[in-house]
Amino acid sequence: AQKVTQAQTEISVVEKEDVTLDCVYETRDTTYYLFWYKQPPSGELVFLIRRNSFDEQNEISGRYSWNFQKSTSYFNFTITASQVVDSAVYFCALSETGGGADGLTFGKGTHLIIQP
Amino acid sequence: EPEVTQTPSHQVTQMGQEVILRCVPISNHLYFYWYRQILGQKVEFLVSFYNNEISEKSEIFDDQFSVERPDGSNFTLKIRSTKLEDSAMYFCASSPWTDTDTQYFGPGTRLTVL
Repeated sequence: AQKVTQAQTEISVVEKEDVTLDCVYETRDTTYYLFWYKQPPSGELVFLIRRNSFDEQNEISGRYSWNFQKSTSYFNFTITASQVVDSAVYFCALSETGGGADGLTFGKGTHLIIQP
Repeated sequence: EPEVTQTPSHQVTQMGQEVILRCVPISNHLYFYWYRQILGQKVEFLVSFYNNEISEKSEIFDDQFSVERPDGSNFTLKIRSTKLEDSAMYFCASSPWTDTDTQYFGPGTRLTVL
């Protein structure tokens, strides 16, 4: 069975600090997809990134970067120079076989608080 | 930019009543999904739908739940006889034919069962 663990329930940092959100996953499949979603206080789920299991290249998008370590089943998310608008709950998610029919397995989320 | 829309944003109902939650997926998307999030908890998969039939469902999606695509644009989730524990945020999502592995979520419907 697949499982996503986000051990950090809540993180609070001061604006402009860098912050890393941890995600550890478990799956028996060799092909799978990993995701990060952002849930701001307004409640919607905003797609941030998708990685497939064959692509271990780290990715950077503006202030966001993702570190995928397949050997240790880590898919961490770093926000550089955090801003108050980054305050949200961030969910890591896993889809085992892809192909469109599979539901995502979410972690419990990390509540990120950016203090001004 | 096209978005998944959901109505209503908040639904209040009495225990035992039937509710229908409505979603309009992004046009030309092929796969549709329902998830729920009990307050303060993680998002849980309920069901996926493709080509007018259920593709996959979780153990949460029991006989009280049903989904339908009544026309070319709407995708609905029906709960036949609501229970207190059905109170949650319900999210609809859809995937494009060009990227069936990425799901785009609607804003959610908050269901409160009294």
